[in-house]
Amino acid sequence: DVKVTQSSRYLVKRTGEKVFLECVQDMDHENMFWYRQDPGLGLRLIYFSYDVKMKEKGDIPEGYSVSREKKERFSLILESASTNQTSMYLCASSLAIPGHAGGSPLHFGNGTRLTVT
Amino acid sequence: SQQGEEDPQALSIQEGENATMNCSYKTSINNLQWYRQNSGRGLVHLILIRSNEREKHSGRLRVTLDTSKKSSSLLITASRAADTASYFCASRDMRFGAGTRLTVKP
Repeated sequence: DVKVTQSSRYLVKRTGEKVFLECVQDMDHENMFWYRQDPGLGLRLIYFSYDVKMKEKGDIPEGYSVSREKKERFSLILESASTNQTSMYLCASSLAIPGHAGGSPLHFGNGTRLTVT
Repeated sequence: SQQGEEDPQALSIQEGENATMNCSYKTSINNLQWYRQNSGRGLVHLILIRSNEREKHSGRLRVTLDTSKKSSSLLITASRAADTASYFCASRDMRFGAGTRLTVKP
C-alpha cells in the first residue's frame, strides 16, 4: 500500500513565522500535490509537482511556496504565516496524473491541522 | 476553479438504506474519481471510472457516468453506520468540490 506521511498532525504557529509542512511518499510516485481544506470550501489546490525540482501553481498559491529536492519529499512553505492560513493541509501523491488518460488516483496523507495565532 | 461539484451537500439516512450522491463537472474528462473522507482524516480513493465506461462496481459501491450530461453518481447500497463520512468527486486537474456529508444512523 502507498503510504503518504505528513510530518505533523497538529501544528500551532505564530503570525509571521516561516512554517514548513513536510510530506513523504514511499511508492516512487512522480506526482505530488498540496491542498488546503476549509469548511464549506472543499479542497483547494495550492501547488503540485510532476517531477523533482519541478513545481506548478494551483488555484491559491499566494503566500505559499514549495520545494521538491527529492522525488519522495514535497514540502510546503508558508513564508510568513498569517491567521487566514489556519487550515487543514493535505498532501497527496499519484503514479500517473489523475485527470489524464491512463491516470491513476491520488493517495492522501492524514493531514496537518495548522493553527496560526 | 472547481471541476467536481457534489450534490446534495448533506444526506442523512438509516442503516440499511441506499445512499445516492451526484457529481457534476464542467469540461470533458478522461476519468472521474470518487473519494471518501472520515472526519479529520485524509481522503481515501474509492473508485476511478474512465470516460469510456458507463458503470463500475466495487463491493457495495456502484458508480455511473454520463458524459453527455457531464455527471456521475455514487450509490452505496445497504449502508452501515461506518459509511458515515464525506464523499468527493474529482475529474480533470485534480480539483474537488465541497463534498457530500453522509450520515448513516444506526
